[in-house]
Amino acid sequence: DTAVSQTPKYLVTQMGNDKSIKCEQNLGHDTMYWYKQDSKKFLKIMFSYNNKELIINETVPNRFSPKSPDKAHLNLHINSLELGDSAVYFCASSQIRNRGASEQYFGPGTRLTVT
Amino acid sequence: QQPVQSPQAVILREGEDAVINCSSSKALYSVHWYRQKHGEAPVFLMILLKGGEQKGHEKISASFNEKKQQSSLYLTASQLSYSGTYFCGTEGGSQGNLIFGKGTKLSVKP
Repeated sequence: DTAVSQTPKYLVTQMGNDKSIKCEQNLGHDTMYWYKQDSKKFLKIMFSYNNKELIINETVPNRFSPKSPDKAHLNLHINSLELGDSAVYFCASSQIRNRGASEQYFGPGTRLTVT
Repeated sequence: QQPVQSPQAVILREGEDAVINCSSSKALYSVHWYRQKHGEAPVFLMILLKGGEQKGHEKISASFNEKKQQSSLYLTASQLSYSGTYFCGTEGGSQGNLIFGKGTKLSVKP
């Protein structure tokens, strides 16, 4: 069984379009994340969310918005796509226990290409 | 602040050892290590916590020097399957947010 899944795996779109990436986890975790990995392989946190709090990395443009219909899903909506948004987007989840002690499980990634 | 990893890349022959270092300019409560193979997602390897507690698996060990704000990942008797990019992550705030280093690319040759 897939622990963290994302759809689609590949997404090619034009500048200015709006797109969404879906993420689902079946691990029963209480916290989910979105990361962006650019062409230089730098892995950067974008958002974290549990049923109480959304934490947004201040460097993320407000064109990006996470939406969580329930505890097992955290979707990523991107408006007015730009060339610089091209990257691989990873969803992850964890069960927060003690501070700093929660391993994260990553989805397979969505490769977004903006033309 | 982003932790600094070294070296950026290393090439090994099977059976050789390697050490990957991770340092931070701020006090650390924990250090996480992940490995990412080409075209795949990062996979959890290990967590080292302040106070010495360690969680992990596989034949990989690590150390955490709280005073120096440094961690090292030790890969001994490397196997071809060890190839990939290794990331250390430090806690960036609440909810387990991780700030990752730029990664160390490890290539193990036959």
